[in-house]
Amino acid sequence: TQLLEQSPQFLSIQEGENLTVYCNSSSVFSSLQWYRQEPGEGPVLLVTVVTGGEVKKLKRLTFQFGDARKDSSLHITAAQPGDTGLYLCARGGQGGKLIFGQGTELSVKP
Amino acid sequence: ETGVTQSPTHLIKTRGQQVTLRCSSQSGHNTVSWYQQALGQGPQFIFQYYREEENGRGNFPPRFSGLQFPNYSSELNVNALELDDSALYLCASSPLTGTSGYNEQFFGPGTRLTVL
Repeated sequence: TQLLEQSPQFLSIQEGENLTVYCNSSSVFSSLQWYRQEPGEGPVLLVTVVTGGEVKKLKRLTFQFGDARKDSSLHITAAQPGDTGLYLCARGGQGGKLIFGQGTELSVKP
Repeated sequence: ETGVTQSPTHLIKTRGQQVTLRCSSQSGHNTVSWYQQALGQGPQFIFQYYREEENGRGNFPPRFSGLQFPNYSSELNVNALELDDSALYLCASSPLTGTSGYNEQFFGPGTRLTVL
């Protein structure tokens, strides 16, 4: 099984701080997705990265795909309480499935 | 455009019972996938339906079964419920298989199943 390892598993920070979440694997991916999930809700797709070295920005969120397409990172600048949630990376697998990492639980305190 | 909807929102069952969860896909999507998410974990793929047939299956026993209807809605059935089946069950829809090269899936809010 080609696992996705996310780190850290938990992160608690103050409003205004910066943070980075990592998603790593020993395998090469054709693409990688990042999702955010709030309590009581399903995951919401944030971005898909497909090219090695690619950087995508979504307001205060910056997503990067590693040059070798084995890893990805999510950086949040000046975190806000509304950023609180479970951040999940996922890759495509056989049979139409998505394979998810275990997630990073982010808590941003005001 | 209507997103993915699921029913019921919450459900409590006892061990050994059977349960049916329902999902309506997003408008224009004809592929539906089901996932199980334990507390504090990422979702685990159960199976996917395309054109009313199972298109792929994860590592779940046969007592997990599903259906897809001509309007692309779907059901997940779980027989002989076990305590470990307590989880959030997520449905996700996606466009015609092969047209979304990156397998982007759009999730419903989930059904929280508790087995006592």
